[in-house]
Amino acid sequence: KAGVTQTPRYLIKTRGQQVTLSCSPISGHRSVSWYQQTPGQGLQFLFEYFSETQRNKGNFPGRFSGRQFSNSRSEMNVSTLELGDSALYLCASSWGGTSGGLSYEQYFGPGTRLTVT
Amino acid sequence: DQQVKQNSPSLSVQEGRISILNCDYTNSMFDYFLWYKKYPAEGPTFLISISSIKDKNEDGRFTVFLNKSAKHLSLHIVPSQPGDSAVYFCAASTNAGKSTFGDGTTLTVKP
Repeated sequence: KAGVTQTPRYLIKTRGQQVTLSCSPISGHRSVSWYQQTPGQGLQFLFEYFSETQRNKGNFPGRFSGRQFSNSRSEMNVSTLELGDSALYLCASSWGGTSGGLSYEQYFGPGTRLTVT
Repeated sequence: DQQVKQNSPSLSVQEGRISILNCDYTNSMFDYFLWYKKYPAEGPTFLISISSIKDKNEDGRFTVFLNKSAKHLSLHIVPSQPGDSAVYFCAASTNAGKSTFGDGTTLTVKP
C-alpha cells in the first residue's frame, strides 16, 4: 500500500498571504487528521475529518481551516499568514472507526515545511 | 495545560542495553496510549500502543507499560540498537482520530 502523501513538501510564503496544503491518505482510510509541529510545542492537533465532516477540532484560530473530499483526500488552508505559523504541518490517516485499537493508530505523511517571512 | 508530558528531552544508551522512555499524563479520560518514532525529515511512525484496560503490551523488542494510578506509561526497548536512534513521541487519545502528543524524547543509541 502506498503511504500518506503530502504536497508540497516545502513552501515559503509572506505574512498576510494564504496557503493550501494537500494530503492523500492511505487507500481505505477514511479519517484524516492534521497536526502542527514546532520546535518548542511538539505536535499540536489542528482538526480531523471523517467522511467529509470535521469530527474533532483542536484549539487553533479560525484562520486554520480544512476540508475533506469524497475520495478522503484532505486540504488544509491557512489564511492571513503570521510569522508564528512557520512549522511542519503533518497529516495522518487512519481507518476511521470509533472503537478498537485500529481506530487510534495513525499513519503520518512526511509533512509540509511552511516558512512564513 | 500540557496533558501529556515527556520530561526527558533526551536519552543516551549503549547498544545492547535497555532504553526506557517515560511519559506522564494528566487527563484520566484518556483510554488509549501510543508511541511513535520519528526520524529526521520523515513523519512519525506508529510503534506500539496500549489500551487503558491493559497494563502491558509487548511487540518484539518493544514493551509498553501503563500505570493508570500514577498516570504514567513507559516504553522499554531491549536490546537497544543504533537504528533505534530517533525521536520518540508518546500520545494519548480519548477520541479516534485525535491524539494528544508529548514533546518527544530524542534517543541516541551508541555503538
